[in-house]
Amino acid sequence: AQSVTQLDSHVSVSEGTPVLLRCNYSSSYSPSLFWYVQHPNKGLQLLLKYTSAATLVKGINGFEAEFKKSETSFHLTKPSAHMSDAAEYFCVVKLENTGNQFYFGTGTSLTVIP
Amino acid sequence: DGGITQSPKYLFRKEGQNVTLSCEQNLNHDAMYWYRQDPGQGLRLIYYSQIVNDFQKGDIAEGYSVSREKKESFPLTVTSAQKNPTAFYLCASSTPKGQGARYNSPLHFGNGTRLTVT
Repeated sequence: AQSVTQLDSHVSVSEGTPVLLRCNYSSSYSPSLFWYVQHPNKGLQLLLKYTSAATLVKGINGFEAEFKKSETSFHLTKPSAHMSDAAEYFCVVKLENTGNQFYFGTGTSLTVIP
Repeated sequence: DGGITQSPKYLFRKEGQNVTLSCEQNLNHDAMYWYRQDPGQGLRLIYYSQIVNDFQKGDIAEGYSVSREKKESFPLTVTSAQKNPTAFYLCASSTPKGQGARYNSPLHFGNGTRLTVT
């Protein structure tokens, strides 16, 4: 069985403070992991993706995520939130052994308070 | 620039009518996907296609149909049998080849079509 759990449906931070969006996955196989961002009425944009080369992955707009196999987690972080970061964020798992299907978390809505 | 084009951006239809949503990509990707997104929810897979002339049902295929006659195109038809068709529809593509996490080709998304049926 495989699933993706985003632990918080809503996160609110003040501008300039750190952001933490949590994601846990369950999989019997080595997964591919991604974070996407979605602004209102737009498609999803790739923030970053996990490769086996490094457990700490750097993405666009100052975001990064750390793959922790022992905790089956792939949390997304940013040191300092900007107003433009307010959006919906999705954690996604891809399993090569299941016909290349992607499994989406239910999303975390990030609010940035000025 | 390469990308995925969905058209139209907004679509309005009367109940009982079939409607077709367009999705075109020039990324030379083999795999294409259709997702449905409802307010406050994640994405649910409707149909996907790994190669031309082949496609598989996703989790919520009932009331939808697709075709994949060309690599670049993957149109979705929302039929009158779909009981609750009003939603935001997203098309995506990817390259399915490769094994293991080192070849983790991501999904590339279009900007979506918002369908309203009244």
